[in-house]
Formats: sequence, structure tokens, C-alpha cells
Amino acid sequence: SQELEQSPQSLIVQEGKNLTINCTSSKTLYGLYWYKQKYGEGLIFLMMLQKGGEEKSHEKITAKLDEKKQQSSLHITASQPSHAGIYLCGADDYQGGSEKLVFGKGTKLTVNP
Amino acid sequence: ETGVTQTPRHLVMGMTNKKSLKCEQHLGHNAMYWYKQSAKKPLELMFVYNFKEQTENNSVPSRFSPECPNSSHLFLHLHTLQPEDSALYLCASSHRVYRETQYFGPGTRLLVL
Repeated sequence: SQELEQSPQSLIVQEGKNLTINCTSSKTLYGLYWYKQKYGEGLIFLMMLQKGGEEKSHEKITAKLDEKKQQSSLHITASQPSHAGIYLCGADDYQGGSEKLVFGKGTKLTVNP
Repeated sequence: ETGVTQTPRHLVMGMTNKKSLKCEQHLGHNAMYWYKQSAKKPLELMFVYNFKEQTENNSVPSRFSPECPNSSHLFLHLHTLQPEDSALYLCASSHRVYRETQYFGPGTRLLVL
């Protein structure tokens, strides 16, 4: 089955700094989703990428899917304390006639004021 | 506000108790999901329902029993749980099962004593 590896596992940055989180897949990505989770709460959908080379932005967050469709990055510009949380990437995994969403273990982001 | 609600938000139960988790979605979606999130592990899919029919049981122990009376409501009935079942249980919904963005509820934090 597909496995997603996120790096780094955790990240501490000073407010105002830029940062990047990576998500690498063991197989070709057909649908890649980025979610944000506050500790102990549900996942908030950020963006979905499907096409190689695709890039989407929302406010100060930009997500990209590489041309080979095996890696995605999430970039935050001028980070703020409100960006703190756990960022999860998820991917459509098709196996044995069924399809499900698999997730990475997440990247914990701390933004210090 | 994601349009997916879960109750209760927190639950403590003994190993001999029977309890139920409830999920309701107000998004007009046709597919609903239960996930388990344990510390240090990726999100694990438990069950999938499509138009009230169960389409996926990801090898979940029988002490977890799902019920989907209609496309808007999903329950997870719990009985004779083990301490290792303590986790955050998340409900999600999507318009269709395949390659669609899933929207998550806030989760139920379960502690089994």
C-alpha cells in the first residue's frame, strides 16, 4: 500500500519566518491533500493537488506537486502564531479494488511570537 | 465550521461499558467515514459508508460496530473495549467515495480505563 513520509516531523520557527513542509510518496500520487489539525481536534482541509507541476495558494500558504507526482511541498510565507498546528498530507491509494485516503504522520509546527 | 459534527467530544468508559459515538454531516454528502487517530501513528481508516451501505471494513475488531441509518448520520457503537482503543475518533464525509475531498468533524477523544 502507499506510504507517505513527511519531513520534518516537527518545526519551530520565529513569527515572520518562511517555512516548508514536505510529503514524499512511495507511489505515484493521483490526488494529494493537505490538512491542518489543531491538537486533539479535527482536520481542516487546506488544498488538493492532482496534476504534475500543479501549484495552489490560499492566503500565505502555497502547496505544490512535483512533475513526477511523487512529492508535494507546503510553503508558509511570513508565518504567524495562527499557523501553528499539525500539518498532514493525505493521498488517494487504490489497491485491490478499493480506494482509500492514506495519511502521513504529520508535521508539528510551532510559531513563536 | 466544516459542517460535520461529532458527539460527545470526550468520553471515558470502562472496559465493560457500552457507548456510542455519533456523527452528523450537513453538507449533503453521500459518503461517510470513521477514522482512528492514535499517538505517534498515522490516521487509520476504519469504515466507509456509501449511500448508507458499508463498502469498507479495514479489519476492525468486532467490538467496534458501525451504523449508518441515512447519508447524514453515522454511529460507532462501542462495547468491551480495551485500553489500547483509547484514541481520537474522527468522522469524515465526502460527496462521493472515490477521489473526493473529505471533510472532518472535530473528533471524539476516547479514554478506556
